[in-house]
Amino acid sequence: DSGVTQTPKHLITATGQRVTLRCSPRSGDLSVYWYQQSLDQGLQFLIQYYNGEERAKGNILERFSAQQFPDLHSELNLSSLELGDSALYFCASSVGTGAEQYFGPGTRLTVT
Amino acid sequence: DQQVKQNSPSLSVQEGRISILNCDYTNSMFDYFLWYKKYPAEGPTFLISISSIKDKNEDGRFTVFLNKSAKHLSLHIVPSQPGDSAVYFCAASDRSTNAGKSTFGDGTTLTVKP
Repeated sequence: DSGVTQTPKHLITATGQRVTLRCSPRSGDLSVYWYQQSLDQGLQFLIQYYNGEERAKGNILERFSAQQFPDLHSELNLSSLELGDSALYFCASSVGTGAEQYFGPGTRLTVT
Repeated sequence: DQQVKQNSPSLSVQEGRISILNCDYTNSMFDYFLWYKKYPAEGPTFLISISSIKDKNEDGRFTVFLNKSAKHLSLHIVPSQPGDSAVYFCAASDRSTNAGKSTFGDGTTLTVKP
């Protein structure tokens, strides 16, 4: 158990809909990262927050947004969903920046 | 442009033998490298890391080697065990940006046969 929790574990929704994925980092970790893993592909970095502020952005679509709250949990919002958004979404946390990351179990999103 | 590449999608070795997983990178600003292991239906777990000021780091059966001039790193697992069968991701970060985000390779699936 990495100490990072993600909810929900599975999510099935229709195209055009909007969903919110939630992540609670390990106790004491200030950085939260979001990744997307599509079928048989690597981990694509989406976005990073550090202590409530956006720190780095990757290949995140404009339809996607995220935030980190004062209690350090984070939410990833995906809107106007398309079939191609079906993927595993991982959240990870680290103590600071540049450190090893601890991953949650992921949320499997299926868009039908 | 993929900055971190794992050119072997899969690797199969016999139990007890050495497993060598390779990773190449292109960004010379990367100064911290990590390996993660991932089992199906689980998130990746941190395995071992190495700073660019070192060329080797060892942790039990796992050793990571870094060749900065070749922009290449490798993970050695000796001896390999069936429980090591997983997807291994190489990752690299540029700590000078103070962001800490890591760039991941596509992974290598290791199968250790009993």
